[in-house]
Amino acid sequence: DSGVTQTPKHLITATGQRVTLRCSPRSGDLSVYWYQQSLDQGLQFLIQYYNGEERAKGNILERFSAQQFPDLHSELNLSSLELGDSALYFCASSPRTGVETQYFGPGTRLLVL
Amino acid sequence: LAKTTQPISMDSYEGQEVNITCSHNNIATNDYITWYQQFPSQGPRFIIQGYKTKVTNEVASLFIPADRKSSTLSLPRVSLSDTAVYYCLVGSDTGRRALTFGSGTRLQVQP
Repeated sequence: DSGVTQTPKHLITATGQRVTLRCSPRSGDLSVYWYQQSLDQGLQFLIQYYNGEERAKGNILERFSAQQFPDLHSELNLSSLELGDSALYFCASSPRTGVETQYFGPGTRLLVL
Repeated sequence: LAKTTQPISMDSYEGQEVNITCSHNNIATNDYITWYQQFPSQGPRFIIQGYKTKVTNEVASLFIPADRKSSTLSLPRVSLSDTAVYYCLVGSDTGRRALTFGSGTRLQVQP
């Protein structure tokens, strides 16, 4: 158990819909990272937040957005969903930023029908 | 950000030593080298990190030559449970660039 929690574990929705994925980092960690992993693909970095502010941005679509709240939990919002958005979405946290060990959550499996 | 190149897949047998090499020709002075392990449908897990020479922990060793343009993850006496994807990451805390995971190396350990 990494100490990072993600909800929900599974999500099934339809094209065009909007969903919110939630992540609670390990106690004391200030950085939260979001990744997308499609079937048999590598991990695609989406975005990183550090202490409430956006720190780094990767290949995140404009239909996706994220935020980190004062209690340091984070939410990833996915809107206008397409079939290709079906994937595992992982959240990770680390104490600060940079090259520290990232601790990954169990992921949210999103299926868009 | 330094680009990394790893073999797509490797096969081994239980009890053998496995070495996975990662190339990172344009590694920067401040960059560290980090390896993660990922099992199917699970998040990656940190294995080892190093800057130069050799680092060893309870699960693996990391060998980094003097020019740091490559690194080798060494897994001693693998077992079936080591079957996983292994990712090599190179980066530092300079600026606002997050570490990126490549495609990784899929290791299959046979009995």
